[in-house]
Amino acid sequence: SQQGEEDPQALSIQEGENATMNCSYKTSINNLQWYRQNSGRGLVHLILIRSNEREKHSGRLRVTLDTSKKSSSLLITASRAADTASYFCATGRFNDYKLSFGAGTTVTVRA
Amino acid sequence: DGGITQSPKYLFRKEGQNVTLSCEQNLNHDAMYWYRQDPGQGLRLIYYSQIVNDFQKGDIAEGYSVSREKKESFPLTVTSAQKNPTAFYLCASNPSGGGNQPQHFGDGTRLSIL
Repeated sequence: SQQGEEDPQALSIQEGENATMNCSYKTSINNLQWYRQNSGRGLVHLILIRSNEREKHSGRLRVTLDTSKKSSSLLITASRAADTASYFCATGRFNDYKLSFGAGTTVTVRA
Repeated sequence: DGGITQSPKYLFRKEGQNVTLSCEQNLNHDAMYWYRQDPGQGLRLIYYSQIVNDFQKGDIAEGYSVSREKKESFPLTVTSAQKNPTAFYLCASNPSGGGNQPQHFGDGTRLSIL
């Protein structure tokens, strides 16, 4: 079952600009994770934020989580051509082995 | 380097044929997963295994089967009962099977119908 929904579906930006994408979900979660997928490749884990955290940073990535609105955002600062990929959010629930993935945001960074 | 190896990268299936996708990991992870990815969609869970000789159905298990005889290996068979098998298949693992841990992914197998 797909719980997360990303917005927008696609995003095109100039190199050096920031990219922001959002994820909304429906039920209570234990954590929310963001993954990147380059074309034709597997997913790569970027960052995990727990339900009691509000913000997390990793390099040029900033993730926020608002459990009252059931939403998260991923910000990529100073984007590079290598950031061109699809980005997926995935939610983990308490006492559940599964992650539920959204349909992803496709980001294109133009040189 | 530790990781997950999926093979083959591309696979073609004829009508009525079963095909098996390989997934091997050397991360010493207990839990392994199989997902199906269709264009423009998220990942859907096919099967999950938390420990050797045990596995559970995911959201879309019909037409698929798995085995887990070794910790390192979790092969997926796409049977002839799966009428729409064309998709990108991803194998993943994590240390102990919780939804509160990151998953590590292989580079996928793309299955097509001949």
